[in-house]
Amino acid sequence: EPEVTQTPSHQVTQMGQEVILRCVPISNHLYFYWYRQILGQKVEFLVSFYNNEISEKSEIFDDQFSVERPDGSNFTLKIRSTKLEDSAMYFCASSVTRSANTDTQYFGPGTRLTVL
Amino acid sequence: AQTVTQSQPEMSVQEAETVTLSCTYDTSESDYYLFWYKQPPSRQMILVIRQEAYKQQNATENRFSVNFQKAAKSFSLKISDSQLGDAAMYFCAYRVSQGGSEKLVFGKGTKLTVNP
Repeated sequence: EPEVTQTPSHQVTQMGQEVILRCVPISNHLYFYWYRQILGQKVEFLVSFYNNEISEKSEIFDDQFSVERPDGSNFTLKIRSTKLEDSAMYFCASSVTRSANTDTQYFGPGTRLTVL
Repeated sequence: AQTVTQSQPEMSVQEAETVTLSCTYDTSESDYYLFWYKQPPSRQMILVIRQEAYKQQNATENRFSVNFQKAAKSFSLKISDSQLGDAAMYFCAYRVSQGGSEKLVFGKGTKLTVNP
């Protein structure tokens, strides 16, 4: 069964550095999402992306964050200047459509980001 | 704002027994969807079951069933004949209906242990 994949599984970076988290959504999916989970807290929505545009973003998704689909397969999340509070598990998800009544968001295994 | 609350951080069950995981939510919407996702250790979240709020009938998927109480804003998951492979984090999630926000709003999760 097709799966969403994410690389790396664990990323360690210094505060102030830029990081790029990579995701390969399921190939026929059209909608892409990033969520994050700070340790001990809830999984939180960051952003959704469709047709090469952000379709929705949360208040967490400020100017330090950006998303891109650089080619036909990858979907990336960039954090320009990491802060300690960006340490979290970042989940990518994809879906065929955005319709809640027929569709499922499929999640990747996550990238654990540690900012030192 | 919509919120999802899972009041049981951890639960345990004996193999072959039944366990119920609790979830409550808060919303002013009348039409929405509720989900239970399962995340096995070091694996991605997968959808277990979905419930449309306009449907009075509780959803079932094999050994998994829900008790949806719309007036009480309660959405519990019952796992019958528990198996070792059911051990995982279980997340309750909410989203508005078609045409609204695409984001999933998650609870904090319940860690289920299945004892042989």
